[in-house]
Amino acid sequence: AQKVTQAQTEISVVEKEDVTLDCVYETRDTTYYLFWYKQPPSGELVFLIRRNSFDEQNEISGRYSWNFQKSTSSFNFTITASQVVDSAVYFCALSESNTGNQFYFGTGTSLTVIP
Amino acid sequence: EAGVVQSPRYKIIEKKQPVAFWCNPISGHNTLYWYLQNLGQGPELLIRYENEEAVDDSQLPKDRFSAERLKGVDSTLKIQPAELGDSAVYLCASSLGQGHMNTEAFFGQGTRLTVV
Repeated sequence: AQKVTQAQTEISVVEKEDVTLDCVYETRDTTYYLFWYKQPPSGELVFLIRRNSFDEQNEISGRYSWNFQKSTSSFNFTITASQVVDSAVYFCALSESNTGNQFYFGTGTSLTVIP
Repeated sequence: EAGVVQSPRYKIIEKKQPVAFWCNPISGHNTLYWYLQNLGQGPELLIRYENEEAVDDSQLPKDRFSAERLKGVDSTLKIQPAELGDSAVYLCASSLGQGHMNTEAFFGQGTRLTVV
């Protein structure tokens, strides 16, 4: 079974629009960690954020914000006032305390920001 | 500080030929990963090392794939013989590991392999 689901395969928005990328995870561990990565056309996955299961406080970093809700097993990522440079594939990932340094990646959401 | 370094960036080989990829992780990172990424998919783990020890190689096709991490630093991933279906991007990543569990992994730029 897929541990991380990113239902949105592709999203297109016009520059300056806000966009939310969804991530739903599945785990039986009580201690786990969630991540978001950005993969621009150059190919390298760039780390964006890591959250642990005990910290449900939402986080904001510039135009990026993350909404973690354990009740719905979701860890959604919002980009405010999108820019062309935000065009990339975004991956959500899960790491469980039970399995150590093992990452489970979603299938990614390809975001295109149209100028 | 240098990130994860992989070489080569691109490789084109004929089927049945051998190929090797090299990875130098971030200094001080004990955990090293090799991932396979097919077009339009997320990374899939091939093998994970904690220092020199391969702690998870359940997804590595051992009939043709092999990996080593001598001295717990650099790593090499080999395919012999390569098949058409091996065409993909091979990603190397590293994380702190050893007492720093579940920390984020940092990725190299990958090697894009094309088997013709």
